Amino acid sequence: DGGITQSPKYLFRKEGQNVTLSCEQNLNHDAMYWYRQDPGQGLRLIYYSQIVNDFQKGDIAEGYSVSREKKESFPLTVTSAQKNPTAFYLCASSMRMRPQHFGDGTRLSIL
Amino acid sequence: QQPVQSPQAVILREGEDAVINCSSSKALYSVHWYRQKHGEAPVFLMILLKGGEQKGHDKISASFNEKKQQSSLYLTASQLSYSGTYFCGTELSGGGADGLTFGKGTHLIIQP
Repeated sequence: DGGITQSPKYLFRKEGQNVTLSCEQNLNHDAMYWYRQDPGQGLRLIYYSQIVNDFQKGDIAEGYSVSREKKESFPLTVTSAQKNPTAFYLCASSMRMRPQHFGDGTRLSIL
Repeated sequence: QQPVQSPQAVILREGEDAVINCSSSKALYSVHWYRQKHGEAPVFLMILLKGGEQKGHDKISASFNEKKQQSSLYLTASQLSYSGTYFCGTELSGGGADGLTFGKGTHLIIQP
């Protein structure tokens, strides 16, 4: 079945540590996105990529980094510069002008 | 600019109707509607493009008023399965792959 796979489902970060969230899709979608969801805040765009080897900052990119070396993969690194990383992280993908499909998310917490 | 959703929450009895609104202060190219159950991924409902068209399937429909920059989601004869948080996501340009700006959501509770 085609879909978007995010891993891990739960992740814990220590102070000063970088962590990487995985997002893989087999839908052959060109565009991929990372959103952050906090209680009562809706979803906020962190980074997005329309093609391989290219990506753009969203509304809250500070403290995060991404790469897009393959069409299927769009990993997100939460760096130690992100001082409040506890949130639900959602990855999505789409074809141009088509709906975004979301993965099941990763919950990141601070130890 | 984040779109404003109203109401923030609504409680209905099964079979009643609901309307959820999404307003923007900027000119929109499209509005996307999603429903999210607690702890799950958002599920796509429909896209409205500028031009004022109305879409729908089953008992859920939506409209987009370009003059007001407002979209409304209509849930008719609500079912228990309609419970969840509804989000509108907006696009300002017609690129189609720039990411969405979401509202804070409307919590919908359907009681038997």
